[in-house]
Amino acid sequence: KQEVTQIPAALSVPEGENLVLNCSFTDSAIYNLQWFRQDPGKGLTSLLLIQSSQREQTSGRLNASLDKSSGRSTLYIAASQPGDSATYLCAVPPGGSQGNLIFGKGTKLSVKP
Amino acid sequence: DAGVIQSPRHEVTEMGQEVTLRCKPISGHDYLFWYRQTMMRGLELLIYFNNNVPIDDSGMPEDRFSAKMPNASFSTLKIQPSEPRDSAVYFCASSFSLGSYEQYFGPGTRLTVT
Repeated sequence: KQEVTQIPAALSVPEGENLVLNCSFTDSAIYNLQWFRQDPGKGLTSLLLIQSSQREQTSGRLNASLDKSSGRSTLYIAASQPGDSATYLCAVPPGGSQGNLIFGKGTKLSVKP
Repeated sequence: DAGVIQSPRHEVTEMGQEVTLRCKPISGHDYLFWYRQTMMRGLELLIYFNNNVPIDDSGMPEDRFSAKMPNASFSTLKIQPSEPRDSAVYFCASSFSLGSYEQYFGPGTRLTVT
């Protein structure tokens, strides 16, 4: 059964700092991995989708990497800003399936001005 | 496109009442997902549809929960009778396909059962 873990559960950094959020999954037979952002009381916004054949994906100040063999992904945020404060979730389909997403519990990021 | 639309945004009801949540997926998306988010369990899939047909409903917690998708542009999640432990945020998401395509989420319905 696919399980997704995100460490740390919460992170507080000063503005301008580069940071890395971690995601690990137990079944490496995944088709893709998706990173989301959730603001308090809001829905989920898709940030990046990495296909299983890709090693990384970039969007602006965000860079996500994927290492299937080790069951890990990282989300790198460069030059963090207070507006980046949110909960970041990673999600993968069940191993060997292209169906629904299995979510981690998320990392709550706070960027202090 | 307006994105995934959910209604109502907030619902407060008394235990035992019937609750119906509604979702309109993004036009052209063949897959529709219902998720539930709680502090304790995080985000969990309840059910998903492909071309209006339920594919996996193993996440539906009890027979009190039912979901339908009568056409490509509308789905409902019904809870009857509701219980306080059903209090959560319910999200609807849609996707063009599986595997290579992102899932897009609606704003959610915050359900409180007293």
